[in-house]
Amino acid sequence: DARVTQTPRHKVTEMGQEVTMRCQPILGHNTVFWYRQTMMQGLELLAYFRNRAPLDDSGMPKDRFSAEMPDATLATLKIQPSEPRDSAVYFCASGSEGRPGAFFGQGTRLTVV
Amino acid sequence: AQSVTQLGSHVSVSEGALVLLRCNYSSSVPPYLFWYVQYPNQGLQLLLKYTSAATLVKGINGFEAEFKKSETSFHLTKPSAHMSDAAEYFCAVSRSRDDKIIFGKGTRLHILP
Repeated sequence: DARVTQTPRHKVTEMGQEVTMRCQPILGHNTVFWYRQTMMQGLELLAYFRNRAPLDDSGMPKDRFSAEMPDATLATLKIQPSEPRDSAVYFCASGSEGRPGAFFGQGTRLTVV
Repeated sequence: AQSVTQLGSHVSVSEGALVLLRCNYSSSVPPYLFWYVQYPNQGLQLLLKYTSAATLVKGINGFEAEFKKSETSFHLTKPSAHMSDAAEYFCAVSRSRDDKIIFGKGTRLHILP
């Protein structure tokens, strides 16, 4: 059963600490999206990649957030330093070039205290 | 730029009644449109997608949506609501098959016994 895998599922950290979230896209998918979900803002697109290259990261705060794809099976989202306002659920989704729609992971619930 | 507007952040229907969730889109090019469903503490699951092949699109769990260009709408319907349909529903738009997907604010569907 192909699925997008995100780790960790939950993360509680102190303000100022570095946070790394990981995503394993569905094998064969070459498009990866990172979204942030909050009650106030809903689902915001932070960044997306195709064939490991960033296509759009305009939704991501550049001073503290970074997203990378070290290889085709791993995408990472880092926050350094973390702040309480970063508390949210972060979703990774993957898709296949030429096929509309994306498949979502279960999300990482981040709490920054 | 693409965007979607979902009318009604909360909708309540009785079990067995018609479900109608409204979505209007804005797009500078013929859009690709999607409906996703999110159950509590879960990721988003694709319900159905419009890719210009047919204006009436059937999805999973008995849902369907109709693309109306003249009204810039893509409303989601289900003839008879079931308790298990209680969830949050998101309308989304993309300008091409594998471009970024932009989500609406979501509509929480409540099913009354």
